Amino acid sequence: AQTVTQSQPEMSVQEAETVTLSCTYDTSESDYYLFWYKQPPSRQMILVIRQEAYKQQNATENRFSVNFQKAAKSFSLKISDSQLGDAAMYFCAYDSLYGNKLVFGAGTILRVKS
Amino acid sequence: EPEVTQTPSHQVTQMGQEVILRCVPISNHLYFYWYRQILGQKVEFLVSFYNNEISEKSEIFDDQFSVERPDGSNFTLKIRSTKLEDSAMYFCASSRPLTVGAGELFFGEGSRLTVL
Repeated sequence: AQTVTQSQPEMSVQEAETVTLSCTYDTSESDYYLFWYKQPPSRQMILVIRQEAYKQQNATENRFSVNFQKAAKSFSLKISDSQLGDAAMYFCAYDSLYGNKLVFGAGTILRVKS
Repeated sequence: EPEVTQTPSHQVTQMGQEVILRCVPISNHLYFYWYRQILGQKVEFLVSFYNNEISEKSEIFDDQFSVERPDGSNFTLKIRSTKLEDSAMYFCASSRPLTVGAGELFFGEGSRLTVL
């Protein structure tokens, strides 16, 4: 069975600075998807960024980028120029290629200081 | 922007009672899901639903649980006889299928169930 581990329960970053959230996973599959979801307080989880394992290029979405290391099974999220609105719980998640059955990490609370 | 909506936002019930959690998925989505998060634990997959039937379910989703899409818009999760350990936040999600592989899931805000 697949597992996802987020080893940082909580992180803080100063506004306008850069922060990296860590995620490792375990799977025996060779092709799969990885996701970062953001959940602001009392709001829905929304997709931040998605990475297809068969793509070597790291995904980027504006200020959000990932460092995907397939051999190390590592999938970190970098947030550049952090904004107050980035404060949220961030979940790393795994899905098999034909799954739509996400396996989540425990989440990392990100606090942004002004 | 279309959203997944869930009702109620919070329900308190007595152990042994039946509970129905309701969800309105995004209208052109075809896949529907329930996930749950027990306080302090990870978000866990319960069930996925496509073409009016369960496509996959986890071992958590035992005979006490059922899902249905009664009217083409609502998607419900029923817990027949609640237990204390059913206390959790329940998230509904929906997605469009992609031609291959995982689609983006759109989540609701969750329904908090407290079983006393």
